[in-house]
Amino acid sequence: NAGVTQTPKFRVLKTGQSMTLLCAQDMNHEYMYWYRQDPGMGLRLIHYSVGEGTTAKGEVPDGYNVSRLKKQNFLLGLESAAPSQTSVYFCASRGLARFNEQFFGPGTRLTVL
Amino acid sequence: GENVEQHPSTLSVQEGDSAVIKCTYSDSASNYFPWYKQELGKRPQLIIDIRSNVGEKKDQRIAVTLNKTAKHFSLHITETQPEDSAVYFCAVNQAGTALIFGKGTTLSVSS
Repeated sequence: NAGVTQTPKFRVLKTGQSMTLLCAQDMNHEYMYWYRQDPGMGLRLIHYSVGEGTTAKGEVPDGYNVSRLKKQNFLLGLESAAPSQTSVYFCASRGLARFNEQFFGPGTRLTVL
Repeated sequence: GENVEQHPSTLSVQEGDSAVIKCTYSDSASNYFPWYKQELGKRPQLIIDIRSNVGEKKDQRIAVTLNKTAKHFSLHITETQPEDSAVYFCAVNQAGTALIFGKGTTLSVSS
């Protein structure tokens, strides 16, 4: 099993450009999450999904959109990138039971110039 | 929403010493409290967790204690080793669906 994978690993954008980050999991997990990690700020929840076709806002959703068309995939979109969105983005997933471990992907380092 | 405070932000210890990291949370309905370790350039990984019906849990050199009344929980690492150097995050489940993380503690263990 690959676990949680993220594409791409690195990306540099110019202000105003758009892009989509892809997260995939092969563990048949119901829950999927997008976090951003900035120095001194910890891991902040952007959006999450409790199942195929559903999404919800997290702590810092502004400037991002998400979609969960297939159970195994969770996409994070930036419609018009801003320098404030320069960050490391982590995807995570977990199974349905409340106390299941949350598994993280390897991260995507995004720089917006 | 849930608010998680983590202290200290940095912690330096000598090899063999103990390290303690503390987190407080705001939502009394929270019932799951994991700790994650993140090595430089790597993804966060779960090292230990505790549920609200338990006051303490140990796994070799690491332990977690929970005080639900005071709404705080702590990570204890004994006999620290250089390979314990990393960033540690506490987390709290929000409404049973998502983990909200503290800002992290950078632990440095010098030999």
